[in-house]
Amino acid sequence: EMQLVESGGVVVQPGGSLRLSCAASGFTFDDYTMHWVRQVPGKGLEWVSLILWDGSSTYYANSVKGRFTISRDNSKNSLYLQMNSLRAEDTALYYCVKDIGPRGNYKGLFDYWGQGTLVTVSS
Amino acid sequence: EIVLTQSPAALSLSPGERATLSCRASQSVSTYLAWYQQKPGQAPRLLIYDASNRATGIPARFSGSGSGTDFTLTISSLEPEDFAVYYCQQRVNWPPLTFGGGTKVEIK
Repeated sequence: EMQLVESGGVVVQPGGSLRLSCAASGFTFDDYTMHWVRQVPGKGLEWVSLILWDGSSTYYANSVKGRFTISRDNSKNSLYLQMNSLRAEDTALYYCVKDIGPRGNYKGLFDYWGQGTLVTVSS
Repeated sequence: EIVLTQSPAALSLSPGERATLSCRASQSVSTYLAWYQQKPGQAPRLLIYDASNRATGIPARFSGSGSGTDFTLTISSLEPEDFAVYYCQQRVNWPPLTFGGGTKVEIK
């Protein structure tokens, strides 16, 4: 069974840093592009970042560019999001999400989602 | 960045009724438009991709149509488990990938 399990969400002060992790299982992790998508509780969805299956390229939403860094360790079937200079508006549930297409056929479509980890930025 | 506008924001219907949800793009997305369903306390689930293709395991009562800037998700006969929030998402011009604001389908 395919599983994505996020961790690392906590309450952090504005300006602080945090690293989210996502443990993947049940599929060939290094075949797939992975994404982070966030959702303010009770609000809509916002795509945050993606990393290609081999880690060769990364992309970010303008709202997090320069502050967040996505990475992966294919030997550990794990995805990460390093979040620096956190702001109140980064408060959200962060989902680890699998792209539907393998390797070079990534599509920007999301077929499996974790349950999310909650990041709260507050003093 | 392509902006997706969903309407209505909320829809009150009874089980068995037909639901029609709209998604309008700020510029053409061809048919690179997907729909997701999200129930309370759950992650979103892919329903429709490329405007009209049902994802694996999605019942036939869900259908999508449209191209360019105007898209529709239709639920032909609402089941109790269909009451949820629905989001559209474009992938024609990314990054960024963008979502609409959502339509909540409520029980009347």
